Amino acid sequence: SAVISQKPSRDICQRGTSLTIQCQVDSQVTMMFWYRQQPGQSLTLIATANQGSEATYESGFVIDKFPISRPNLTFSTLTVSNMSPEDSSIYLCSVVDREGNTEAFFGQGTRLTVV
Amino acid sequence: KQEVTQIPAALSVPEGENLVLNCSFTDSAIYNLQWFRQDPGKGLTSLLLIQSSQREQTSGRLNASLDKSSGRSTLYIAASQPGDSATYLCAVRSNYQLIWGAGTKLIIKP
Repeated sequence: SAVISQKPSRDICQRGTSLTIQCQVDSQVTMMFWYRQQPGQSLTLIATANQGSEATYESGFVIDKFPISRPNLTFSTLTVSNMSPEDSSIYLCSVVDREGNTEAFFGQGTRLTVV
Repeated sequence: KQEVTQIPAALSVPEGENLVLNCSFTDSAIYNLQWFRQDPGKGLTSLLLIQSSQREQTSGRLNASLDKSSGRSTLYIAASQPGDSATYLCAVRSNYQLIWGAGTKLIIKP
């Protein structure tokens, strides 16, 4: 199983600023994903982080707002840009170690509050 | 389009009871189904993974079943404890994506 370290665990930010969340995995993984969980809601996929190329974004999410980097097979960052109170959510990093028939693992999440 | 539904949305039971959480999905073409636990404000902990070819998986007091033909999975928790209080989420994998249910919020009363 993969062990995921996500930083920071929580933050309170001013509107208009940006926050970068880091996701570090203890082993090389095929796929890394970023999710958002708004208060009282289930998870929504933001994007798939692709190693060495631009992330693949889901409908409703754009690179300018949520730039993602993945420089190697064990690390990724998600930036929440120009934040507003509507961005207050838990942001979660998830990995699978190979495509298809396998288990998903999650970091402990970043609880973001925008004031 | 795959849709996942979890019933009930919330459940409160006394300690010691056995209980069943339900998850249903509309498209039987899945790779696997996974049950997660989420404590308030925290990330997700994987509880059980059932591959599409399997009928059930067990871990300690937890047992998850899968009936692909009827689009249903159940999570059985035996001898519930206050520490089991959390939100339980099920997710089905279609291609690389996980499709999520809304979760069942479980409260075990001492």
